[in-house]
Amino acid sequence: DAKTTQPTSMDCAEGRAANLPCNHSTISGNEYVYWYRQIHSQGPQYIIHGLKNNETNEMASLIITEDRKSSTLILPHATLRDTAVYYCIVRVGGSNYKLTFGKGTLLTVNP
Amino acid sequence: SQTIHQWPATLVQPVGSPLSLECTVEGTSNPNLYWYRQAAGRGLQLLFYSVGIGQISSEVPQNLSASRPQDRQFILSSKKLLLSDSGFYLCAWSPIGQGVGSPLHFGNGTRLTVT
Repeated sequence: DAKTTQPTSMDCAEGRAANLPCNHSTISGNEYVYWYRQIHSQGPQYIIHGLKNNETNEMASLIITEDRKSSTLILPHATLRDTAVYYCIVRVGGSNYKLTFGKGTLLTVNP
Repeated sequence: SQTIHQWPATLVQPVGSPLSLECTVEGTSNPNLYWYRQAAGRGLQLLFYSVGIGQISSEVPQNLSASRPQDRQFILSSKKLLLSDSGFYLCAWSPIGQGVGSPLHFGNGTRLTVT
């Protein structure tokens, strides 16, 4: 699986959009980009994933660059409850896959 | 809907004592199952994964073992705990055979402190 690079921490004001970047310059054509988050002392929560096209669900939007070497997770209206560590990972599909999480980005939403 | 249960939530055990953490999944059949560990200040590390009953793959050599006695039950064990086994242990599942579109679903974890 390709490696990812994320900033260690970011701040965002409540009600504003939070844009979390991720670099994955060695991503291969069959690897998907996944985002998870982990609120303190809880298990990680799946947010969104994509291959080439931008994706949106009820939680967030995922913007993937045309060359697929980087992506941005967008939380459109951040709330205090969005304060968490956000993990960007890439992986190949298939039934026997496995994931390795890095240190992620600590997003702090401030009132 | 599918749910994952993991227990206990917290555990304090002395060095040299045995360990058994249990994870069960409801609402799905034949899931892929995973055990992760998260040491303080570090990312998640995959320990074991299983694609079926009795089928266990180990990712890192360690003092722990895993078993899958039933389709939706995954157990993490140790015969003698070490101080370095302290950490946050997470069980997760994903649907088998739906690889690329299947995210992981995590339990709420067990915080293990070995004293």
